[in-house]
Amino acid sequence: KNEVEQSPQNLTAQEGEFITINCSYSVGISALHWLQQHPGGGIVSLFMLSSGKKKHGRLIATINIQEKHSSLHITASHPRDSAVYICASQTSGSRLTFGEGTQLTVNP
Amino acid sequence: DTEVTQTPKHLVMGMTNKKSLKCEQHMGHRAMYWYKQKAKKPPELMFVYSYEKLSINESVPSRFSPECPNSSLLNLHLHALQPEDSALYLCASSIPGLAVGETQYFGPGTRLLVL
Repeated sequence: KNEVEQSPQNLTAQEGEFITINCSYSVGISALHWLQQHPGGGIVSLFMLSSGKKKHGRLIATINIQEKHSSLHITASHPRDSAVYICASQTSGSRLTFGEGTQLTVNP
Repeated sequence: DTEVTQTPKHLVMGMTNKKSLKCEQHMGHRAMYWYKQKAKKPPELMFVYSYEKLSINESVPSRFSPECPNSSLLNLHLHALQPEDSALYLCASSIPGLAVGETQYFGPGTRLLVL
């Protein structure tokens, strides 16, 4: 059974700080997803990774396939980055296995 | 158009009511999903349609009845719900069958309250 664990559960940072959220999964995957959910409810897909590293603006996602581990980094964090960040693994087919999410609060 | 829309945004219903949630996308995606999300929890998969056929039903109670009338539309019919069914219901879509993984595009959700 594939399990996805995220850490930390909650994270509070000051504006401008560098932030890292970690994700570990238990079985081989076809892709690893990072998602963002704002308090309004809608979920936005940030990254889909199967190897290496991706960057989009201030967001960077990395994955180490051998260690079954992925990280999401936010550089120069801003209050508008406050949201829940969810890691999800994808094995075969369309099914995603979600982590419990990390609640990020960035204070001005 | 890279958007998944859901209506209504909010719904309050009694336990004897019948209502429907609607989801629409015009991205040509042939996989569509219903998720249920309780507060402070990740989404739970309910149903997956692939090419308008139900491919996954996660042992969801029969008071939830999905329907995919065409490749752009997904409905969730609700009947005789219980208060514990109150949650955010999310729809998503993707291009099915990609070996390298499929990005799912989520709608804004319908927040359902069952009284």
